[in-house]
Amino acid sequence: QQQVKQSPQSLIVQKGGISIINCAYENTAFDYFPWYQQFPGKGPALLIAIRPDVSEKKEGRFTISFNKSAKQFSLHIMDSQPGDSATYFCAALYATSGTYKYIFGTGTRLKVLA
Amino acid sequence: NAGVMQNPRHLVRRRGQEARLRCSPMKGHSHVYWYRQLPEEGLKFMVYLQKENIIDESGMPKERFSAEFPKEGPSILRIQQVVRGDSAAYFCASSPDKESQFFGPGTRLTVL
Repeated sequence: QQQVKQSPQSLIVQKGGISIINCAYENTAFDYFPWYQQFPGKGPALLIAIRPDVSEKKEGRFTISFNKSAKQFSLHIMDSQPGDSATYFCAALYATSGTYKYIFGTGTRLKVLA
Repeated sequence: NAGVMQNPRHLVRRRGQEARLRCSPMKGHSHVYWYRQLPEEGLKFMVYLQKENIIDESGMPKERFSAEFPKEGPSILRIQQVVRGDSAAYFCASSPDKESQFFGPGTRLTVL
């Protein structure tokens, strides 16, 4: 119930194409859903985040689509660029026993071909 | 405003030695989280601390691992008597609130 399932594990996209990464969850107590971008040898960096009362959030070329009834959310990268090549993690935040905890997906390794 | 700092960036230890990993949160952040990342895997929560308090250590192994966040100074993740299975990247994140977490560059621990 505390899992966040992420797919695909890896993704290859042509430059200019759309990259789509999906995540699904079970726990309805999750109330904040960020996406992180991680380059090799670096720490994850917050990319964009959404709350369950919103169905879509867009920041530049990055869009989160959120389907509360299906318990799914996805990251869309429009006009994908080689510089977007990185590992992307979805995450979900929930409150438990007075504290807050993130559950991370297993990551998607994106490669954008020039 | 400097980001989250971790040191050392790389640490090599022999089996049985102690590993001590440090994390300095961003200025004004009082929440610190430690995560472990194995190759090709996601981040696994280990422990959540506030100043001088361990709030949640449910993700941390009961033996050999400990963490602290003193009133002054960095947060420390300590691994005693390291084994090869402890080899991983350890990330620290700090937060000013419950939601946004800012990650450091990580410490890559290699146990020989």
